[in-house]
Amino acid sequence: SQTIHQWPATLVQPVGSPLSLECTVEGTSNPNLYWYRQAAGRGLQLLFYSVGIGQISSEVPQNLSASRPQDRQFILSSKKLLLSDSGFYLCACIAGSTGELFFGEGSRLTVL
Amino acid sequence: KQEVTQIPAALSVPEGENLVLNCSFTDSAIYNLQWFRQDPGKGLTSLLLIQSSQREQTSGRLNASLDKSSGRSTLYIAASQPGDSATYLCAVLTGGFKTIFGAGTRLFVKA
Repeated sequence: SQTIHQWPATLVQPVGSPLSLECTVEGTSNPNLYWYRQAAGRGLQLLFYSVGIGQISSEVPQNLSASRPQDRQFILSSKKLLLSDSGFYLCACIAGSTGELFFGEGSRLTVL
Repeated sequence: KQEVTQIPAALSVPEGENLVLNCSFTDSAIYNLQWFRQDPGKGLTSLLLIQSSQREQTSGRLNASLDKSSGRSTLYIAASQPGDSATYLCAVLTGGFKTIFGAGTRLFVKA
């Protein structure tokens, strides 16, 4: 079964600084990959998804971008963080015909 | 646009009680429906997956049903325990490879 690794687990960054969150998947190939954000006390918001290397779909226009340089690697980035970028970022994947979604442990970002 | 709603937003029950969490979705053209559990500060753990052609799935004390035509799903938890305290989220996979989530139900089981 697949395993999703995310790092860093916790990050505190000043406003205006850059961001890079990484996600790698083990135990499967050709997964669909997703970035979700969960703001404090709120539901999950789909930010980006990818069905293959170099293929990125954006759901919400914002200060963030995503890239998929390898089949099992998904990166979330920002050039200049805003206070509103604070939240819990979750990487997820779907692999196989069932469409079951699996999550990593998340990266908690605080922008000060 | 697919929207997923969960009722109630929060629920507090005494230990041992059976309970039902509700989920509704606006577009019946779904690929599957999934129930997750989230503990505070943690990622999401998949509990049950129901394919669009199925009516229900069971795992231990959990039973999830799906009525795709009416856009509803329920998660039934039997004989609740304090360890069941968590947030439960419902999500549907659409034809566009996107899984859309409800806001969740926060469950507290009192010992």
